[in-house]
Amino acid sequence: AQSVAQPEDQVNVAEGNPLTVKCTYSVSGNPYLFWYVQYPNRGLQFLLKYITGDNLVKGSYGFEAEFNKSQTSFHLKKPSALVSDSALYFCAVRAPGAGSYQLTFGKGTKLSVIP
Amino acid sequence: SQTIHQWPATLVQPVGSPLSLECTVEGTSNPNLYWYRQAAGRGLQLLFYSVGIGQISSEVPQNLSASRPQDRQFILSSKKLLLSDSGFYLCAWQRESRYEQYFGPGTRLTVT
Repeated sequence: AQSVAQPEDQVNVAEGNPLTVKCTYSVSGNPYLFWYVQYPNRGLQFLLKYITGDNLVKGSYGFEAEFNKSQTSFHLKKPSALVSDSALYFCAVRAPGAGSYQLTFGKGTKLSVIP
Repeated sequence: SQTIHQWPATLVQPVGSPLSLECTVEGTSNPNLYWYRQAAGRGLQLLFYSVGIGQISSEVPQNLSASRPQDRQFILSSKKLLLSDSGFYLCAWQRESRYEQYFGPGTRLTVT
């Protein structure tokens, strides 16, 4: 079975400072990893994914994430936080291979960027 | 470009009443379709997914059912709602050649 852990329920960061939202995963084989963002009363928006290749992936709105296979982590980062980045962030994992459709989501991390 | 619609946006229903939530996708064909439920603004629970018309897989046995009568239409139903069915229901689609899922705006269901 696959699983995702987001160890922090909430992360607070000052505007302009770098931010990190943590994610670790467990899956058989090489994982497909994703980050999504959710604003209040909205659906999830796709930010970025890691499928294969370069361990550092870049996504929307200046976000990036680093895949670390030895630590089974996929932390989300941004060099300079904006107040508008305040939202709920979800990490998700999918097992590789055809016929594997299920995304397993973490419980989410609430990011608050303080002006 | 592709667009996903869900309606209604909000719904308040009494216990024991039926439910029908609809999701449609535009701008693509033969997508994989998914229904999720999100409780208390946090984790997502996959309820159903479909890889084609009439093909439904259930992930969690419960009071709900799903149908896919057309290629880009996915319906979530219940014959008798329970209080525990309250939540935020999200539909998502995925193109098999890609890996990520794209979500609709959601339906907030309150069962009273």
